[in-house]
Amino acid sequence: EIVMTQSPATLSVSPGERATLSCRASQSVGSNLAWYQQKPGQAPRLLIYDASTRATGIPARFSGIGSGTEFTLTISSLQSEDFVVYYCQRYSNWPPSRTFGQGTKVEIK
Amino acid sequence: QVQLQESGPGLVKPSQTLSLTCTVSGGSISSGDYYWSWIRQPPGEGLEWIGSIYYSGSTYYNPSLKSRVTISVDTSKNQFSLKVTSVTAADTAVYYCARDPHGSGSYFGYWGQGTLVTVSS
Repeated sequence: EIVMTQSPATLSVSPGERATLSCRASQSVGSNLAWYQQKPGQAPRLLIYDASTRATGIPARFSGIGSGTEFTLTISSLQSEDFVVYYCQRYSNWPPSRTFGQGTKVEIK
Repeated sequence: QVQLQESGPGLVKPSQTLSLTCTVSGGSISSGDYYWSWIRQPPGEGLEWIGSIYYSGSTYYNPSLKSRVTISVDTSKNQFSLKVTSVTAADTAVYYCARDPHGSGSYFGYWGQGTLVTVSS
C-alpha cells in the first residue's frame, strides 16, 4: 500500500509570506495527486489536481508541482483565510485507490 | 451546480450497522459519467476514502474497509447510500459524500457538508 506523508505537520508563517508544503509518496504515483484545503467545520475544498492543475475558482496564489514521489503545494502570499489545514491525496485507477496524507496545518507566526 | 447532502442517524450502537444516504440535487446521478464517493474523518484526524460507486452501479472500496462496507445507488431517488456493518468506536467520524468534478472518480470537487456519526452504547 502506498503511504502519503506530509511535512511539516505544522507550518508557522507570517501573513503575506510564502508557504511551502510537502507531500511524499512511498512509491511513485506519477502525477496522480490532488491537494485540498479544509477550514474548521467545513468539508475539504479541492485546490489542485493532476499535481499542478488548479481547480475551478482557485486563486493563482496556490500552485502545485511535482511528480513521482515528491510533491509541493506553494501558497505565494498568505492571506488570513489561508491559515487552515491542507491535505494531499493520491489516486490510481488500477487497482482503484485513493489515499490521503495526514495533513499540514498552516498557522500564523 | 451539483449539491450533495448527507442524512442518517447521528448515533449508532456498537456492533450495529451504520446507514447513511446522500441526496444529490442540481443534476441527475444517472445522467452523467461520474463516480459518487464516501469519505470519512474521525474527530481531529485526517481523511479516509471509504469507497466509490459509478452511476451504472459498479463499486470499488478501500481494502481496509471492504469487508464491512456496501455502497449502492438509487437513481429513482437521485441518492446513493453507505452501509458499514459491525461498527465500533473507531468508526466514529464525520462522513462526507462527494463527487469528482470531471468524471475520473480520482479526486473530489463536490462535497456534502458532512454528518457526524457517533458509535456509542
